[in-house]
Amino acid sequence: NAGVTQTPKFQVLKTGQSMTLQCAQDMNHNSMYWYRQDPGMGLRLIYYSASEGTTDKGEVPNGYNVSRLNKREFSLRLESAAPSQTSVYFCASSYTGVAYNEQFFGPGTRLTVL
Amino acid sequence: KNEVEQSPQNLTAQEGEFITINCSYSVGISALHWLQQHPGGGIVSLFMLSSGKKKHGRLIATINIQEKHSSLHITASHPRDSAVYICAVNRGGSTLGRLYFGRGTQLTVWP
Repeated sequence: NAGVTQTPKFQVLKTGQSMTLQCAQDMNHNSMYWYRQDPGMGLRLIYYSASEGTTDKGEVPNGYNVSRLNKREFSLRLESAAPSQTSVYFCASSYTGVAYNEQFFGPGTRLTVL
Repeated sequence: KNEVEQSPQNLTAQEGEFITINCSYSVGISALHWLQQHPGGGIVSLFMLSSGKKKHGRLIATINIQEKHSSLHITASHPRDSAVYICAVNRGGSTLGRLYFGRGTQLTVWP
């Protein structure tokens, strides 16, 4: 099993460009998450999806859109990149039901917006 | 004020020392997680607990629900334990699995 995979690993954009970060998991998890990590700020939730077909905003959703394409895939789109979106992005997944379970994280995407 | 606070922010230890990282939270929770972020950036889950104590090898995690406090202990620390340790909580009453994170503790263990 590959776990949670993310592409690309690194990306440099110019202000105003758009891009989509891809995430896939092969653990049959129902919940998926996108986080950003900035120095001194810790991990912050951008969007999450509790099940296929549903998405909800997290703490810092402005400037982002998401798509839960199917149970396996959850993509994050930056429509018009800004320097403030320079960050490391992590996708994660978990099984969420009656009991809580651990989250599994992808390797991260390091994004620089010039 | 962050709902999840960790201390210390930075910790330096000599190989073999006993290490404690603390986590306090200000909201009702259903579960607390300890995560490890390696120098290369990958994040892995170490523990998930809602009461008492758990142990994996040299790592021990405890939680006191009444005091809203958890500790992560590392016995006989080793340079390979050098990493960022992150505390996170599932809020009580939520079934959506969202985590709320502390800002992490950078641990460096010298040989």
